[in-house]
Amino acid sequence: GAVVSQHPSWVICKSGTSVKIECRSLDFQATTMFWYRQFPKQSLMLMATSNEGSKATYEQGVEKDKFLINHASLTLSTLTVTSAHPEDSSFYICSVPSLGETQYFGPGTRLLVL
Amino acid sequence: GESVGLHLPTLSVQEGDNSIINCAYSNSASDYFIWYKQESGKGPQFIIDIRSNMDKRQGQRVTVLLNKTVKHLSLQIAATQPGDSAVYFCAENILGNTPLVFGKGTRLSVIA
Repeated sequence: GAVVSQHPSWVICKSGTSVKIECRSLDFQATTMFWYRQFPKQSLMLMATSNEGSKATYEQGVEKDKFLINHASLTLSTLTVTSAHPEDSSFYICSVPSLGETQYFGPGTRLLVL
Repeated sequence: GESVGLHLPTLSVQEGDNSIINCAYSNSASDYFIWYKQESGKGPQFIIDIRSNMDKRQGQRVTVLLNKTVKHLSLQIAATQPGDSAVYFCAENILGNTPLVFGKGTRLSVIA
């Protein structure tokens, strides 16, 4: 299956600052990647679909101007949380669909906004 | 849309016993299903998948059963080990580059 990495694995930032999270597909070229968010003791919630070379598709209720997604290459998608607030504190996870079927997940990025 | 569970159901089993984790999926049009294992602080790890043209698939120590009539999916783990302790999620989608819809999750606790 696809090997997916994320960086950083955890980050602490002050309220009002921006944080960039990287998702890399290490052994598979991905035209599509997905970004999920997971709050404690909850399931994964899809935030957006990242499309290489085009705009991301956001789920209802997810602010596209707050969560900026850039899929600049077939191996890298970035999620930038702009003007972060404490309620943005969460576990952010990306996934890569392999050959259009099984999706493989990154290790996740824990964000804590103070 | 996604399902979100505020209180994860918990299944406690004795080491060596078999575990059965159940999931009710939402979309009758879904044709692909995956079970993931998630340990604390980590991303979901693929366990086993099944397509809608099958009703059973076996892996190493794991078996997935699919009942499309009642939209039910189950994961059976044989000879459960302490390392199996984690949260297990079922996920569904329609084959292709479509996002997964996750179930609420079940926490499996293995008692040594």
